[in-house]
Amino acid sequence: GENVEQHPSTLSVQEGDSAVIKCTYSDSASNYFPWYKQELGKRPQLIIDIRSNVGEKKDQRIAVTLNKTAKHFSLHITETQPEDSAVYFCAVPPQGAQKLVFGQGTRLTINP
Amino acid sequence: GAVVSQHPSWVICKSGTSVKIECRSLDFQATTMFWYRQFPKQSLMLMATSNEGSKATYEQGVEKDKFLINHASLTLSTLTVTSAHPEDSSFYICSAAKGGFGETQYFGPGTRLLVL
Repeated sequence: GENVEQHPSTLSVQEGDSAVIKCTYSDSASNYFPWYKQELGKRPQLIIDIRSNVGEKKDQRIAVTLNKTAKHFSLHITETQPEDSAVYFCAVPPQGAQKLVFGQGTRLTINP
Repeated sequence: GAVVSQHPSWVICKSGTSVKIECRSLDFQATTMFWYRQFPKQSLMLMATSNEGSKATYEQGVEKDKFLINHASLTLSTLTVTSAHPEDSSFYICSAAKGGFGETQYFGPGTRLLVL
């Protein structure tokens, strides 16, 4: 089955700096790559996603880059703010399946 | 938008009782709904995939007789934890997708279950 690895597990950055979280996957046929943000006790919320026909997608301070050859994709947050502090999850659907396999999560802390 | 609700938001029950959790898509029809369990400081673990009008597909290691799933309509799926025990205490979250493979999943707010 699909194996999803997410790094780092924790990340602490100064406010205003950039944060990068990386996700690797095993199924080369996967073609949809979302990132979710989960605040404590709340539901996961989709913040950005990318499909395999593009290599990069940007939405204001958030971007996702995809390297299908190497089977990894990354979340980039620029000009970080305290409200960016949360747990971030990548997810990948196994080929031919509707379900998502989630990474282990990255706890991001923005230091003022 | 795509709004998913879940009820109840939290429940405390005695060991041996059954608990039903509802998941509703409020402004769209969900062909597929998913049920996850999340333990503290851990990732989301998929329990089962539920398609309207058909039997749920359970992930390996999830007891289908203990976690009963019903998907009676395109806007409602229910999860019943039967004969709950303390080890079933967890955060249960549903999600709903509008279409098929590769479609975005929208999550409900979750249900926190505490079994005494």
